Amino acid sequence: GIQVEQSPPDLILQEGANSTLRCNFSDSVNNLQWFHQNPWGQLINLFYIPSGTKQNGRLSATTVATERYSLLYISSSQTTDSGVYFCAVVQGAQKLVFGQGTRLTINP
Amino acid sequence: DTEVTQTPKHLVMGMTNKKSLKCEQHMGHRAMYWYKQKAKKPPELMFVYSYEKLSINESVPSRFSPECPNSSLLNLHLHALQPEDSALYLCASSQGLPVTQYFGPGTRLTVL
Repeated sequence: GIQVEQSPPDLILQEGANSTLRCNFSDSVNNLQWFHQNPWGQLINLFYIPSGTKQNGRLSATTVATERYSLLYISSSQTTDSGVYFCAVVQGAQKLVFGQGTRLTINP
Repeated sequence: DTEVTQTPKHLVMGMTNKKSLKCEQHMGHRAMYWYKQKAKKPPELMFVYSYEKLSINESVPSRFSPECPNSSLLNLHLHALQPEDSALYLCASSQGLPVTQYFGPGTRLTVL
């Protein structure tokens, strides 16, 4: 099956810093999503980005499908950005396969 | 509205109990999913329903029994669970395949 690898596994930053999270995948995909899981367990959709670049406020994402990676950029980090960030790709028609996640801690 | 609701939020059950988890969405989505998430791990797919029919069962033990009574509801019936089944159970839905999946807040299950 498809392999999804995220880096770094853990990231600790001061408030106001910028960060880049990476997701590599082992096969071509037509569906890639980025999620933020907050400390209460809720998975929040950030981007549906099988290719190209999208921006939403302080967050942006880029997927280079031909090179099998995606990047999530967080600018001017806030403590509320803390949590685990997952990328996930679709295997077959329906199965969403998640990476192991990047645990982000933003200190005040 | 992109809301998926799940009840209960927390559940504690003994190994001989029978309980059910419920998931509901009113976005007109035709695919619904159950995931299991252990601590410090990513969610893992358990079941997929498409147009109210079970389309994927990821070799889940029979002590977990899914049910899709209609296009808005998804249940997960639990019976004779083991302590290692303690986890966060997440429900999701999507309009079609393959498109964005929207997740509910989860049920945190503890099996004693």
